[in-house]
Parts: sequence; structure tokens; C-alpha cells
Amino acid sequence: NAGVTQTPKFQVLKTGQSMTLQCAQDMNHEYMSWYRQDPGMGLRLIHYSVGAGITDQGEVPNGYNVSRSTTEDFPLRLLSAAPSQTSVYFCASSYSVGTTYEQYFGPGTRLTVT
Amino acid sequence: AQKITQTQPGMFVQEKEAVTLDCTYDTSDQSYGLFWYKQPSSGEMIFLIYQGSYDEQNATEGRYSLNFQKARKSANLVISASQLGDSAMYFCAMRVYRLTGGGNKLTFGTGTQLKVEL
Repeated sequence: NAGVTQTPKFQVLKTGQSMTLQCAQDMNHEYMSWYRQDPGMGLRLIHYSVGAGITDQGEVPNGYNVSRSTTEDFPLRLLSAAPSQTSVYFCASSYSVGTTYEQYFGPGTRLTVT
Repeated sequence: AQKITQTQPGMFVQEKEAVTLDCTYDTSDQSYGLFWYKQPSSGEMIFLIYQGSYDEQNATEGRYSLNFQKARKSANLVISASQLGDSAMYFCAMRVYRLTGGGNKLTFGTGTQLKVEL
């Protein structure tokens, strides 16, 4: 059971480049989300999805796009990378929209934009 | 909007001692859950413990317990008998549940860096 997987683990981009961070889960979770972690700021929600075909914005969505064509996959696209997007990105998933289920996190992607 | 406040950026504790990490929250929702996650230096997020807003008993998981004081809106994590492996960043988080939407979003605090010393 792989849980939540993320690729790549590390990435360096130049300003203006685009890329996709991949996230997949094999637990049949309806809910998936993307967070970014910056020093001193905890984790902030970028986008989330409550099921295939349904996505919504979180706290810091600007500069990022998502789609959810299958239950398993939830890729995050950086449209035109900026140095302010240098961060560690976590994907997470959980069952349902109730309060009782903890979110399972992927190992993270460390992104540097120069 | 929901808010989580962790006022201790860093804490030190001696091995085998107990330590309390503070967490206060703010929400107008009645139904919510509170979570604690551990992030070691390797970077992964590890779920530790959960407390529901309607739970009457404080949650416990092994050496971890959650001191839930609803009227004060606090959800402090207590680690008993600290071990060197407990050295990590600890995050408090909250999720609210609404029938009209809002999903499963977790709101995180800024974290407390715990260092366990010999």
C-alpha cells in the first residue's frame, strides 16, 4: 500500500517556467488537497478537491492550477514560476468531508525557483 | 474564518520529562475537529492525535494526550516521558464541518519546534 505519493522530490525551475507536481493516492479517498509550507507560516492550503471533477480554491491559489480527472490523481500546475513559489509542497488525502478522518500526507516536493 | 495559534516557536524539554505544547483556536462553527501532526527533520507529516468538538473525553494515544478545554478554545498536546526521537516540529490543525460546504480543509498553526535534551 503506497499511500500518498508525490513526484518529483526535488525540483529547480527558472522564473517563468511551468511544471506539474504529481500526486497520487491508492486509498480511494474522495478528498485531496495541496499545501505549501514556508518557514514560520505553517502549511497553507492552495487548492482542494472533494471528488473527481470537483476542485476549489484554498487560501493561496494564485499562480497554481489543479484538475481532478480521476479519484487517484490530483496534479498541481505552476503556470509561470516565480521566486515567491519557492517552497515545500505537500499533497494530502482523506475519506469524506467529515471531521473525524485525519489527512494522509505525501512526502513533499521541495521546489526552488531561481 | 478559522485560526490556529501556537505561541511557542521553540521548546526544550529534558528526556523522560513531560512537555505541553500550546494550541488555541478560533472558530464560530460548532462542529470541528482538532489534530496534531509531527514533522521530524526528514520532513514527512505524521498524524498524532485527534479530538472532536463533541468528544467529552480528552483524546489519548500512547504517550500523547490532548488537553481539550472547549470554553477556552484550547487544545494543548501533552507528551509524557519525552524521548530523543520526539525532537521535531509539531503542528496543531483544525477542520470544520459544514453542511453547506467548506469541505475538509485543514487550517494549521505555525508550529512549535521541540528539542529533547539528555
